[in-house]
This record gives sequence, structure tokens and C-alpha cells, in this order.
Amino acid sequence: DTAVSQTPKYLVTQMGNDKSIKCEQNLGHDTMYWYKQDSKKFLKIMFSYNNKELIINETVPNRFSPKSPDKAHLNLHINSLELGDSAVYFCASSGRIYGYTFGSGTRLTVV
Amino acid sequence: ELKVEQNPLFLSMQEGKNYTIYCNYSTTSDRLYWYRQDPGKSLESLFVLLSNGAVKQEGRLMASLDTKARLSTLHITAAVHDLSATYFCAVDHAGAQKLVFGQGTRLTINP
Repeated sequence: DTAVSQTPKYLVTQMGNDKSIKCEQNLGHDTMYWYKQDSKKFLKIMFSYNNKELIINETVPNRFSPKSPDKAHLNLHINSLELGDSAVYFCASSGRIYGYTFGSGTRLTVV
Repeated sequence: ELKVEQNPLFLSMQEGKNYTIYCNYSTTSDRLYWYRQDPGKSLESLFVLLSNGAVKQEGRLMASLDTKARLSTLHITAAVHDLSATYFCAVDHAGAQKLVFGQGTRLTINP
């Protein structure tokens, strides 16, 4: 079974649209994250949630809104998509014992 | 603010040679991680280094940590083509519940 699963794997959409990416983890971890990997492969944290509560919001535009209905799920909704939002978005989770587990990534292309 | 810097950013080497990737970080950290990423894939955890002087080895890869110097190294011994990938170090920001990544080192191993 996949530990951190995110859907969809690929997302191609037009500027101005609204889209969502879903993430689920079955590891029993308390903390979940969204990371963005840009075209230069640089990875930067966007949000983290601990037990459904927002912990970190790293100067991400308001168009990005995470939602955590329970500690096993962290979804990312993006409004009014822009060309610059094109990137790979990774969901991750971590627990009390060290280690982060990453999802397979969602490649978002805005045209 | 925690900063993590890797060098080199690009590394092209021949099979059979040895080389080292360096990872410097700017503030005290709990743990240091090394990840491998193949093109279009997710992040694969290679090593977690927890304490000063920690050394871990897996196959042709060996990672070490010097917390006093705030430096970790990833040493590649007798490189083979299959090790071609991008390697990231990441530091667990103490108390902040987030991973801060280096820029990544794109390693190409030529026959």
C-alpha cells in the first residue's frame, strides 16, 4: 500500500481556473506538508499541518488554500491559476519518530 | 533563517571515480537527511543522520555529519551509471517542524 498518495499525478489547466490536489497518508503521522518544486528543482515548503491545525504558512499567495479534514488528509486548492504556478507539488508526512515520507508528486502545468 | 547550501550543483563524472557532495547549513538542527530524486519521480530517502560524527553507508554511498562545522558530506565510491540522479540534502529545522532543502546536486555518471 502506498504510504503517501496524492492525486492527480498530472494536471494541465488554463490560466484563471481553480483546481485541487488531494493527499492522503496511511502512516498514522501527525504532521503533513505541501512542498513546491520549481523548474530549477528547488524544493520549498508551502504549508504544514499538525493534527488538522495549520502550523506553517510560508508566504504563499492567498490563492492557495490548504484544507485538512482529518490528520490523514491534506488537500490543496488553488484559485485563479497563473502561469507561474506551474511546478511539481509534493505532499509529505512525518511522525514522532524521525523521517519524512513524500508522495509521488503532482505535475501542474498552467497554459 | 535556516539556509542549506550544497555544492557542487552539477557534477559530471566517469564511472569508477570517487567524488563528494557537500552540504552546509546555517543554524542548529536536529537531523540531516539525504534524498535521491530521479527525473519525474519522487524523493527517495537515502540517509538520516542524527548526531555529530554519524556515518552511514549503503552500497557505494556514504554520508557523514559534523554538527560543529554544520557540514554533511555524501561520498560516492567507484561511481556507476545507475547513480545518476539529483541528490538533495535537507535539514530538519529544530522546533519548526519543517525540512529545509539544499538546491540539489545533479549528478551525471558517464560510462
